[in-house]
Amino acid sequence: EVHLVQSGAEMKKPGESLKISCRGAGYTFTNYWIAWVRQMPGKGLEWMGSIYPADSQTKYSPSFQGQVSISADKSKSTAFLQWSSLKASDSAIYFCARQPSQYGRFYYMDVWGKGTTVTVSS
Amino acid sequence: DIVLTQSPDSLAVSLGERATINCRSSQTILYDVNNKNSLAWYQHKPGQPPTLLITWASSRETGVPDRFSASGSATDFTLTISSLQPEDVAVYYCQQYHTPSSLTFGQGTRLEIK
Repeated sequence: EVHLVQSGAEMKKPGESLKISCRGAGYTFTNYWIAWVRQMPGKGLEWMGSIYPADSQTKYSPSFQGQVSISADKSKSTAFLQWSSLKASDSAIYFCARQPSQYGRFYYMDVWGKGTTVTVSS
Repeated sequence: DIVLTQSPDSLAVSLGERATINCRSSQTILYDVNNKNSLAWYQHKPGQPPTLLITWASSRETGVPDRFSASGSATDFTLTISSLQPEDVAVYYCQQYHTPSSLTFGQGTRLEIK
């Protein structure tokens, strides 16, 4: 069965760093892009960026460029989302999702992780 | 960026009745390689991850009940639930993947039972 396993909930203080993970299972990890999607409390879905684990090619939403870092370790079938200095406004649920691709383009999100809740509070 | 605007923001429909959600794009999202519209629909229930319902504007994913259908072209798209069931209560999102450097979602439509 194809699934994405995300790391557990995190509680952090403003200014701290954080790296959350998303491990793919049941499919060839390097054949698909992995997207990260944010859902702030009571709000909608926002695409943050995507990574192609085969070569670590990365695309960021302009809204998140420079705010987060997306990486992957293909040997561990795992993608990561990282912050160097968290803010209270980073409190949200973060989903990873698999994206089929063709001709170097990624498409919709067909398999989703359960989400990682990040709470940033002093 | 391509902006997707859904209407209505919320919708209350009686069980067994039809629910219709609209999604308008700020520009055409026709993918010239396959001549299909680059639009997906998702269902999002509280406490769960979103579920993919529809791709390429009208192709239902495997396992999605056939009461869900979608249509549209160019800039106007529709998701229809033909006979609302209790398990369909959720927030529904459209999403365009026409521009790989800037995927966008609609703001969401909350569907409830009247």
